[in-house]
Amino acid sequence: DAGVIQSPRHEVTEMGQEVTLRCKPISGHDYLFWYRQTMMRGLELLIYFNNNVPIDDSGMPEDRFSAKMPNASFSTLKIQPSEPRDSAVYFCASSPRDRGTGELFFGEGSRLTVL
Amino acid sequence: LAKTTQPISMDSYEGQEVNITCSHNNIATNDYITWYQQFPSQGPRFIIQGYKTKVTNEVASLFIPADRKSSTLSLPRVSLSDTAVYYCLVGDIDWFSGGYNKLIFGAGTRLAVHP
Repeated sequence: DAGVIQSPRHEVTEMGQEVTLRCKPISGHDYLFWYRQTMMRGLELLIYFNNNVPIDDSGMPEDRFSAKMPNASFSTLKIQPSEPRDSAVYFCASSPRDRGTGELFFGEGSRLTVL
Repeated sequence: LAKTTQPISMDSYEGQEVNITCSHNNIATNDYITWYQQFPSQGPRFIIQGYKTKVTNEVASLFIPADRKSSTLSLPRVSLSDTAVYYCLVGDIDWFSGGYNKLIFGAGTRLAVHP
């Protein structure tokens, strides 16, 4: 299994530009999560999906952020317009539905720098 | 929400056993205790999970006393490659019923292993 795949691994952009981060979860996993990690705030849950449906987006910082999951194998996190304070590492994680360990499988992250 | 408290940082030497304790005084009946490990530039990785008593796998052991108000992650004979941040999470793993809302990553414990 290839694991959770995120792209791009690094993105440098200028303030005001649109940023799109992409995630391919592990096949067969029903849950998908988007996290943001910064030195100041640690790991924050932004939004999570169950069977492609957003369940909880209370962690999305503001309207500039949006996330979609058009199918079971693809999700995007979009920031428009981007601001310097959005600079962070964004992680995508997936997990199977069955009640088991509730283990999260993380991708390697997308490091975003907004100048 | 079950809040966790763990040391900010720890130092150890190669070959030693490392014990990281996490306090979770208001743990709920349905809550499990899960530990994750995060290396620089990578997403967190599941290490071990338990509900009570002791759990052991090929990587670590988890000790949970009868009152479940704390837990201790034990790493036997650490090596330099164990240098990482370790997170203790407490929550209901039944995500289908919304249990995931309780899983929060704290600041973690930064473990440094020295030669």
